[in-house]
Amino acid sequence: ETGVTQTPRHLVMGMTNKKSLKCEQHLGHNAMYWYKQSAKKPLELMFVYSLEERVENNSVPSRFSPECPNSSHLFLHLHTLQPEDSALYLCASSQDPAGGLYNEQFFGPGTRLTVL
Amino acid sequence: TQLLEQSPQFLSIQEGENLTVYCNSSSVFSSLQWYRQEPGEGPVLLVTVVTGGEVKKLKRLTFQFGDARKDSSLHITAAQPGDTGLYLCAGAEDGNQFYFGTGTSLTVIP
Repeated sequence: ETGVTQTPRHLVMGMTNKKSLKCEQHLGHNAMYWYKQSAKKPLELMFVYSLEERVENNSVPSRFSPECPNSSHLFLHLHTLQPEDSALYLCASSQDPAGGLYNEQFFGPGTRLTVL
Repeated sequence: TQLLEQSPQFLSIQEGENLTVYCNSSSVFSSLQWYRQEPGEGPVLLVTVVTGGEVKKLKRLTFQFGDARKDSSLHITAAQPGDTGLYLCAGAEDGNQFYFGTGTSLTVIP
């Protein structure tokens, strides 16, 4: 596997279910991100992890719970979601240049989530 | 919150035509990325520009970073149906901060 992978690619869940999204990066990066992409809206940053520590949480509801056990893996745990949470959830990774020239993000293919 | 405005929001052109997409901000970025995203897929990185005034070419695509590193443009020559997709710009600040544009949805009609 190369790049950033996400599983599952599609997920349908009821409002009372608990599920998890998984992301794995094979690029040796030290930062990982969760984004939400809804129809006709810009990408919304949800969480940022740098060196396995959460550095940003953009006022995301507690029904979304991230977990970063190591620098290669990122999870998004879901529980008691609402229909308006239906969206494409994207994972990305980057290498913080720590004062270097520039950084750039690489995305996974996304998980299409439908909440019934 | 940094804001990047992209224009136009939607663009539908005939195969073979040229087009330009703009990405504008009032903020200065250390680098700027352009992505193309197809329906149901994640954005794919096309290019990163880092120096004010920099021009990069990727086959029929030409990317330019503004002199002040606040804006950028993407020019496509002789568009093809395979160019169809959502084009996103993203400005990066030092560290882990990335700010995404509102997107331009391009349709190239055969």
